[in-house]
Amino acid sequence: EAGVTQFPSHSVIEKGQTVTLRCDPISGHDNLYWYRRVMGKEIKFLLHFVKESKQDESGMPNNRFLAERTGGTYSTLKVQPAELEDSGVYFCASSQELPNGFSYNEQFFGPGTRLTVL
Amino acid sequence: AQSVTQLGSHVSVSEGALVLLRCNYSSSVPPYLFWYVQYPNQGLQLLLKYTSAATLVKGINGFEAEFKKSETSFHLTKPSAHMSDAAEYFCAVSWMDSSYKLIFGSGTRLLVRP
Repeated sequence: EAGVTQFPSHSVIEKGQTVTLRCDPISGHDNLYWYRRVMGKEIKFLLHFVKESKQDESGMPNNRFLAERTGGTYSTLKVQPAELEDSGVYFCASSQELPNGFSYNEQFFGPGTRLTVL
Repeated sequence: AQSVTQLGSHVSVSEGALVLLRCNYSSSVPPYLFWYVQYPNQGLQLLLKYTSAATLVKGINGFEAEFKKSETSFHLTKPSAHMSDAAEYFCAVSWMDSSYKLIFGSGTRLLVRP
């Protein structure tokens, strides 16, 4: 079974440009999470999808960030325009919805996308 | 607000020595607790989790952690360090009423000396 995949693994862009990160969750996982770690800081939650719906986007830093999950499969995170402080590693994670309706289950993480904004 | 504190950004041990990585949390409701490990150039891997069952939790690779409610702690231990344990370790918490999002500590990098 394939794990969570993320593309690209690295991205170097200039301030003001646009970047789109992609996450493919494990097949059948309805929950999809985005997290970010800026250098030297803790990993922080950005948002949570259940299928194609945004369940919680309380961690999104500002309106330069747009996340989508078309058809409830893969997800994209677009940063437009990118700023220097957006540099960091962006992680995606997915988990199964349990039959009893509770969302808790192990989150499986992708390898991350390292974004550098110059 | 809920938070997680990991004491020590770097911990260095000799091969064969006890590993102890500390984690304390603050929460107004009972949390779920996790330890994740990140090896170089890889994603986060779950080591173990506490979900209100036994307070002593055994994980992969010989690691275990004990949930102590009175101390709001969830320290990670391993009796004998191996060179392959060198990695960064993250403590995290989540709650049923918070979309199960993970709140992470700042991470502890474990160095194992030969």
